Amino acid sequence: GQNIDQPTEMTATEGAIVQINCTYQTSGFNGLFWYQQHAGEAPTFLSYNVLDGLEEKGRFSSFLSRSKGYSYLLLKELQMKDSASYLCAVFGGGYNKLIFGAGTRLAVHP
Amino acid sequence: DVKVTQSSRYLVKRTGEKVFLECVQDMDHENMFWYRQDPGLGLRLIYFSYDVKMKEKGDIPEGYSVSREKKERFSLILESASTNQTSMYLCASSSPPSPFGVGAYEQYFGPGTRLTVT
Repeated sequence: GQNIDQPTEMTATEGAIVQINCTYQTSGFNGLFWYQQHAGEAPTFLSYNVLDGLEEKGRFSSFLSRSKGYSYLLLKELQMKDSASYLCAVFGGGYNKLIFGAGTRLAVHP
Repeated sequence: DVKVTQSSRYLVKRTGEKVFLECVQDMDHENMFWYRQDPGLGLRLIYFSYDVKMKEKGDIPEGYSVSREKKERFSLILESASTNQTSMYLCASSSPPSPFGVGAYEQYFGPGTRLTVT
């Protein structure tokens, strides 16, 4: 079957670093996405990994290990506006479909 | 900037009503998708379309149908709304042109329609 797991909730302090983990088991794999979704808003694209390793984009980095079925999103220098849900999604399973995890709700405190 | 718009942000309908949710994208994307999002369950794919008049069932198509008469517009239809269809509905669009293409492209999402069925 298809399964994507990520923690339900996390809390962190402003200015700190937080790592959100995602593990996946899917019938196919053609890349992994991270999306950010603020409450009541649409998901917005953060990062895409298709090869093993770390992709850095400003304060956000994403890592992928295909052999372990594992990814993480690293957020540095946390700001209050980073309080949101972070969705891990795998591109696979045929027919150009994204399979989403349930999301991790991150709360950043002063 | 890619823009995906949905016809309503909030909608309240009665059980048994026929409901139409409209989605329009302005980037000439071939692929369009309808998801529903429920707490603890994440986004689940209802239907998608990779070309005009083409449609494919997603993971939870029961109780829904879709229509794609023009490339930029993808409609989700609830034939007879039920209370368990109360949810947030999100539309998305993307390239590449074929569902069998290699590689992956990000999906651009609309703002969502929060549907309540009473």
